[in-house]
Amino acid sequence: DVKVTQSSRYLVKRTGEKVFLECVQDMDHENMFWYRQDPGLGLRLIYFSYDVKMKEKGDIPEGYSVSREKKERFSLILESASTNQTSMYLCASSFLAGGPGTDTQYFGPGTRLTVL
Amino acid sequence: AQSVTQPDIHITVSEGASLELRCNYSYGATPYLFWYVQSPGQGLQLLLKYFSGDTLVQGIKGFEAEFKRSQSSFNLRKPSVHWSDAAEYFCAVGPIQGAQKLVFGQGTRLTINP
Repeated sequence: DVKVTQSSRYLVKRTGEKVFLECVQDMDHENMFWYRQDPGLGLRLIYFSYDVKMKEKGDIPEGYSVSREKKERFSLILESASTNQTSMYLCASSFLAGGPGTDTQYFGPGTRLTVL
Repeated sequence: AQSVTQPDIHITVSEGASLELRCNYSYGATPYLFWYVQSPGQGLQLLLKYFSGDTLVQGIKGFEAEFKRSQSSFNLRKPSVHWSDAAEYFCAVGPIQGAQKLVFGQGTRLTINP
């Protein structure tokens, strides 16, 4: 089974702190994604990566950056956390074969981040 | 622009009753369609997906969905729900702008009455 793990299930940070959310997948997937999930808004894509050191902005990249130094690891960085970044953050990965958008995305359990 | 609408934010059904969750999409070409389920405190798990072929798709846990191009819909169904089906359900469509992106609906929260 594909396994996507996220470094923390729950995280509490203060406004202005730099926050790192880590995601690791064990299936050699090329694609990795970061979403935030808010009630009534579904999942919104923050960033995605289709290869090491490659990244693309999603729909809501403002206030976030990402890093992918190794194929299995994709990090989301909040440069200066703000209260409006309090949310559930979900990481996902997918295999490239079959073409863009056609492959199942496998999700981690999520990190619930609270910024005080 | 591509979009997915799940008209029902919250649905309550009795255990053993049938279920239909609605999903409508807006997409400029033949879509790839997905239903995911999120149990409390968990990540998303794929229930089923449609790429092409038979428009009635079978998934895990006894779920099925039917693609209706004329109605731009991909509704999820189950003939008899179990208490363990209580969860949030998300419909998604892709690919977006030639990239490996999906657009998700707002989600439908399902409550099961005993």
